[in-house]
Amino acid sequence: AQRVTQPEKLLSVFKGAPVELKCNYSYSGSPELFWYVQYSRQRLQLLLRHISRESIKGFTADLNKGETSFHLKKPFAQEEDSAMYYCALKSRETSGSRLTFGEGTQLTVNP
Amino acid sequence: GAGVSQTPSNKVTEKGKYVELRCDPISGHTALYWYRQSLGQGPEFLIYFQGTGAADDSGLPNDRFFAVRPEGSVSTLKIQRTERGDSAVYLCASSLIRQREKGELFFGEGSRLTVL
Repeated sequence: AQRVTQPEKLLSVFKGAPVELKCNYSYSGSPELFWYVQYSRQRLQLLLRHISRESIKGFTADLNKGETSFHLKKPFAQEEDSAMYYCALKSRETSGSRLTFGEGTQLTVNP
Repeated sequence: GAGVSQTPSNKVTEKGKYVELRCDPISGHTALYWYRQSLGQGPEFLIYFQGTGAADDSGLPNDRFFAVRPEGSVSTLKIQRTERGDSAVYLCASSLIRQREKGELFFGEGSRLTVL
């Protein structure tokens, strides 16, 4: 079975401060990890994927297989980063794109 | 259309009633997914269609839930004998195959179902 855990339901930081949203997973196979984001009154959308090793809106995330983690980081948070963030896992062994989501972290960036 | 469209946006029903939720995916997207999101939880997979057929329906919680996609475009999620525990936001998502394999799904705004 695959499971994604986001230990913080709420995270509050000040503008300009570093931010890290934690994500841990359990999966016996070879996973692909993603971060999805939902801004206020908008749809859930893909933020970034670990395979691309990209930086989107200043966010990065590194897959740490030893610690089974995929934490999302940004060195200087902005007010517009306030949103709900979901970590998600996809199995490489199965076709389709069944995603297993964590419970989400509500990030608030205060002015 | 510009994105995945779901109707109704809100549905209030009574326990025991039958409900249908509709999803109109992005034109040309062959993959379609239904997820359920309960209050305070992340989206939970229900069913995945590739074209007209359900390629994976292992997330459907029981036989009261059923989904169809007869022409490979619009999909309908059907819930029989609704229970209060069915109250949730039902999300639909679609993607192209290459996007699907990259894990990129395009979500609708959801249908909020409340069972009284």
